Amino acid sequence: DAKTTQPPSMDCAEGRAANLPCNHSTISGNEYVYWYRQIHSQGPQYIIHGLKNNETNEMASLIITEDRKSSTLILPHATLRDTAVYYCIVRSYSGAGSYQLTFGKGTKLSVIP
Amino acid sequence: EPEVTQTPSHQVTQMGQEVILRCVPISNHLYFYWYRQILGQKVEFLVSFYNNEISEKSEIFDDQFSVERPDGSNFTLKIRSTKLEDSAMYFCASRPPGLPFTDTQYFGPGTRLTVL
Repeated sequence: DAKTTQPPSMDCAEGRAANLPCNHSTISGNEYVYWYRQIHSQGPQYIIHGLKNNETNEMASLIITEDRKSSTLILPHATLRDTAVYYCIVRSYSGAGSYQLTFGKGTKLSVIP
Repeated sequence: EPEVTQTPSHQVTQMGQEVILRCVPISNHLYFYWYRQILGQKVEFLVSFYNNEISEKSEIFDDQFSVERPDGSNFTLKIRSTKLEDSAMYFCASRPPGLPFTDTQYFGPGTRLTVL
């Protein structure tokens, strides 16, 4: 799996958009970008994933650059409950295998009132 | 919305004792996982389980660890002789069958294991 690089921490004002970057310059063609978050020692929570197109769901949007070497997770209106560690994970899929997730240190997002 | 559940939420044990951590994965999921997180450190993969057998395990998952799916709903992690360094949060996760994109894992709330 490709290595990812994320800033260790970020602040965001409540109600504003939080934009969390992730660099995955060695990503290969069959690798997806996944985002999970962990709120204060709770179990990690799936947010969103994508291959090359931008994706949006009820939680967030994922913007992947055309060359796929980086991506940005966008929380459109951050709330205090979005304070968490956000993990960007690159995973391949070839139809078989157990596909354990490899977590890095992530970005600690602090939403400030 | 279905969710992964884990019991107990907190387990305190003496060094050398056996512990069993229990998980109930989401009912139609076929892949099951255990991860652990030592306080202040990264979430680490321990083991994955599919079709009633271990499919992958990490170096952490040594002979003192075992997993079992004793019935159609529970998935357990046993530590035979606990050590101080086994103190951690243990997370169970499950993944639905399938499609190429559904590598989404759903995590339980965790069990905090404290070894004294």
